[in-house]
Amino acid sequence: AQRVTQPEKLLSVFKGAPVELKCNYSYSGSPELFWYVQYSRQRLQLLLRHISRESIKGFTADLNKGETSFHLKKPFAQEEDSAMYYCALIPYGSSNTGKLIFGQGTTLQVKP
Amino acid sequence: KAGVTQTPRYLIKTRGQQVTLSCSPISGHRSVSWYQQTPGQGLQFLFEYFSETQRNKGNFPGRFSGRQFSNSRSEMNVSTLELGDSALYLCASSLANVGTDTQYFGPGTRLTVL
Repeated sequence: AQRVTQPEKLLSVFKGAPVELKCNYSYSGSPELFWYVQYSRQRLQLLLRHISRESIKGFTADLNKGETSFHLKKPFAQEEDSAMYYCALIPYGSSNTGKLIFGQGTTLQVKP
Repeated sequence: KAGVTQTPRYLIKTRGQQVTLSCSPISGHRSVSWYQQTPGQGLQFLFEYFSETQRNKGNFPGRFSGRQFSNSRSEMNVSTLELGDSALYLCASSLANVGTDTQYFGPGTRLTVL
C-alpha cells in the first residue's frame, strides 16, 4: 500500500539551529514527492517538490530511494519557519491521477 | 492570478441533511481534487475531476459525490450527513497535463455536523 510516514508530530528547535523533518514513504515504484507547508491561519501551500530540485526559503529535500525517504532540511531555522509541514506523494499511473497521499504532518516550532 | 477559492467558508448542518461545497480553480487549471482533513485521519483524498470527468476516487462511501462544470469549477456533495463528516474540506487545482502536476489548495470549507 502507498503510505507516507512522518514520525515526529512536533519538532521544537531554537532559532539558528539546523532542522530536519523526516519523511518516509512506502511505494513500489518511483513516486513524485512534495513538501507542503501550512502557516498559522493560511492555506496549505507548496514548499518544494522533488522533480524541480529547487531550494525554497532555504529548505532542501533529497530523495533517497534506498531508504525510501524524502527528509526536509534547513541549516539555520528562523522563527517564521514555525508551521505545520506535510510530506506527500503522488504515485505514477493513470489510476492515481490527482491523488496526493499525505503524511500526518509535523509541527515545527522555532523558539527565539 | 487569483488563487483557488472555496465557498462557503463555514457551514453548520444537522445529521441527515445534505450539503454542497463549491470550488473555483485557478484560471487555466483543468483538474480539481478534493480532500477531507480531520484531526484523527489527517488529509485524505476524496476524488479528482478533469474535463468534467471523475478520473480518480478515494475510499469514501457513496454519500460523497462531486461534479465538474465546463468552466472547471467543481462542486462536492455529501448526502445524509453523519457526525463523522465534520471536517475541513479542501479542494486543489492543477494544470493536470500529467497526473502528478503540482496542486494548489484553496482555504477550505469547515463543515460542522450537529
